[in-house]
Amino acid sequence: QVQLQESGPGLVKPSGTLSLTCAVSGGSIGSNNWWSWVRQSPGKGLEWIAEIYHSGSTNYNPSLKSRVTISIDKSKNQFSLRLTSVTAADTAVFYCARGVAAAGSRYFDLWGRGTLVSVSS
Amino acid sequence: QSVLTQPPSLSGAPGQRLTISCTGSSSNIGAGYDVHWYQQFPGTAPKLLIYENNNRPSGVPDRFSASKSATSGTASLAIAGLQADDEAVYYCQSYDSSLRGWEIFGGGTKLTVL
Repeated sequence: QVQLQESGPGLVKPSGTLSLTCAVSGGSIGSNNWWSWVRQSPGKGLEWIAEIYHSGSTNYNPSLKSRVTISIDKSKNQFSLRLTSVTAADTAVFYCARGVAAAGSRYFDLWGRGTLVSVSS
Repeated sequence: QSVLTQPPSLSGAPGQRLTISCTGSSSNIGAGYDVHWYQQFPGTAPKLLIYENNNRPSGVPDRFSASKSATSGTASLAIAGLQADDEAVYYCQSYDSSLRGWEIFGGGTKLTVL
């Protein structure tokens, strides 16, 4: 079955750039799905960050858009997240998730296990 | 604060029926966008519980049901026959058409089984 696995540094310095990758296994990233990043600050709720389709189409959370880039590498069956100018407020568990198109929205039927990224000097 | 409003916590006794509300506005639930629900246990990823307002993925017990009222801009998740292992955090999720559109989550409801 399809699985998602996040990877990337667990520690990023303030004002630095957070970079994460989500590897898709057991299925093709070129399937009819959107691929998203969702984060969860410690003890807090879920926050959707961005999504990408295999065509390269993207959508971003308006509150993060100026700092976020999502990209896809179909040859490696993976997609990635870059978040620039990070602060301690960006410390969170980052999940990658598969989005299924619904009536004007997506639902996330498959999630990675998540990776904790801490922002600290 | 979250665009979708959920009660921060609820509690119920085993066997009880309990409802979690999710209140939005005219740019999300009130506009007719679908609502989805997730269940999250500590230290684990969220799990899809209900999709497209009232559909259960395979494997989700029929004790879980949900509804949506676009007229009132609200959605609800109902859990019947409450069990100890239902103790988790529940999130609603939808789409908001403001600011060029984005996926939004509720703040989550911590369910405690007494």
